[in-house]
Amino acid sequence: AQKVTQAQTEISVVEKEDVTLDCVYETRDTTYYLFWYKQPPSGELVFLIRRNSFDEQNEISGRYSWNFQKSTSSFNFTITASQVVDSAVYFCALSEANGRSQGNLIFGKGTKLSVKP
Amino acid sequence: ETGVTQTPRHLVMGMTNKKSLKCEQHLGHNAMYWYKQSAKKPLELMFVYSLEERVENNSVPSRFSPECPNSSHLFLHLHTLQPEDSALYLCASSQDRAAPYNSPLHFGNGTRLTVT
Repeated sequence: AQKVTQAQTEISVVEKEDVTLDCVYETRDTTYYLFWYKQPPSGELVFLIRRNSFDEQNEISGRYSWNFQKSTSSFNFTITASQVVDSAVYFCALSEANGRSQGNLIFGKGTKLSVKP
Repeated sequence: ETGVTQTPRHLVMGMTNKKSLKCEQHLGHNAMYWYKQSAKKPLELMFVYSLEERVENNSVPSRFSPECPNSSHLFLHLHTLQPEDSALYLCASSQDRAAPYNSPLHFGNGTRLTVT
C-alpha cells in the first residue's frame, strides 16, 4: 500500500535560517511520482515540484531545493534563507503510475512551517 | 479569473439541510477531483472525474453526491450530513488523470464546511 510520512508536524525557524522538511514514502510500484505542495493560510494548495521515480537528480529552484533518494525512500525539501512568506503547511504526496489508483495523489499529513521575523 | 474557483468559501449547515458546493476550472483540464481536509488528517481523495466520467469513488458515504455536468464544472451535493463531516473541501483539476502524465493538481481555495 502507498503511504507518505511527514514526521515533522510543526517547525518554527527565524528568518534567514535554512530549514529541511522531511518526507518518506512507501510504494510497491516501480514507477511513481512525488510531489510537494504548499498551503498558505488562504487554503489553496500550490504545486511546487513533481519528480518521477527514474530521475534522482536533485533539483534547485531559487531558495528551494529537493533531495530525492530512492535508497531511503525519501524526498526532502529544503528552504534556504527562509522568509516570513514561506510560512505555510507543506505537503508531500505520492502518485503511482500503475494499477487502479494510478494518478491518485496520496498526501502526507503535512508540516506546518512558521518563519518568524 | 483564477485557475480553480470554489464557492462558497464558507458554509454552515444543519444536519437536515441540503446544500451544494461548486467548483469551476478555467484551465482546460480533463480531470477534476474532490478532496476532504480534516484537522490532523491527511488530505483524503473523495471523487475523481475524468472527461466527465466518474472514475473513482473512495468509499465515500452516500450523503455526499458528486456531479460533473461538463469538464469545467464539478459539484458536491450534500444532504443529511454529520458534525464529523465538518472540514475543508478542496476541488482540484489536472490536465490528465493517469500515467504517464500524473499531471500536477491545481487546487481551489476550498470551502470551509461546518455542520451543526
